[in-house]
Amino acid sequence: DAGVIQSPRHEVTEMGQEVTLRCKPISGHNSLFWYRQTMMRGLELLIYFNNNVPIDDSGMPEDRFSAKMPNASFSTLKIQPSEPRDSAVYFCASRSLPGGASSYNEQFFGPGTRLTVL
Amino acid sequence: QKEVEQNSGPLSVPEGAIASLNCTYSDRGSQSFFWYRQYSGKSPELIMFIYSNGDKEDGRFTAQLNKASQYVSLLIRDSQPSDSATYLCAVNLNTNAGKSTFGDGTTLTVKP
Repeated sequence: DAGVIQSPRHEVTEMGQEVTLRCKPISGHNSLFWYRQTMMRGLELLIYFNNNVPIDDSGMPEDRFSAKMPNASFSTLKIQPSEPRDSAVYFCASRSLPGGASSYNEQFFGPGTRLTVL
Repeated sequence: QKEVEQNSGPLSVPEGAIASLNCTYSDRGSQSFFWYRQYSGKSPELIMFIYSNGDKEDGRFTAQLNKASQYVSLLIRDSQPSDSATYLCAVNLNTNAGKSTFGDGTTLTVKP
């Protein structure tokens, strides 16, 4: 299995530009999470989906952030317009819901996208 | 008060010693508890999980859970330099389908 795939791995953009981060979860997993990690705030959950449906988006910082999961194998996190304070590493993670391949609630993390907004 | 709190660290131990990492959580209804290891520049990976009070051992790692005290710990015996990493404690309200809340992590350095 290729694991969780994220793209791009690094993104440098200028303030005000739109940024789109992409994630392909592990095949067969039906729960997907977007996290942001910074030194100051640690690992923060932004939003998560079960069976492609957003369950909890209370961690999304503001309206500039949006996330979609159009099908079981693809999700995007969009920031529009981007700001320097959005600079962070963004992780996507996936997990099987009960009855699936894993019964231990383990989340598998992708390699992350390091975003720098100048 | 943060939902999940960990030793502020950093923690430094000599090779071969026992490293003890601690975590407290605020929601008494929490049901499942996880320890992730994160090497610098890498993503978190699960090393231990525990659901029931008591100890759970896996090789050199032991997770300990005390729900009455809202406390979970990770012991690493015979610490190796390769154990040097940041350890994240994560707590789920629901065992099955819920989200995990992560602590800020404790950075461990094992000195040869």
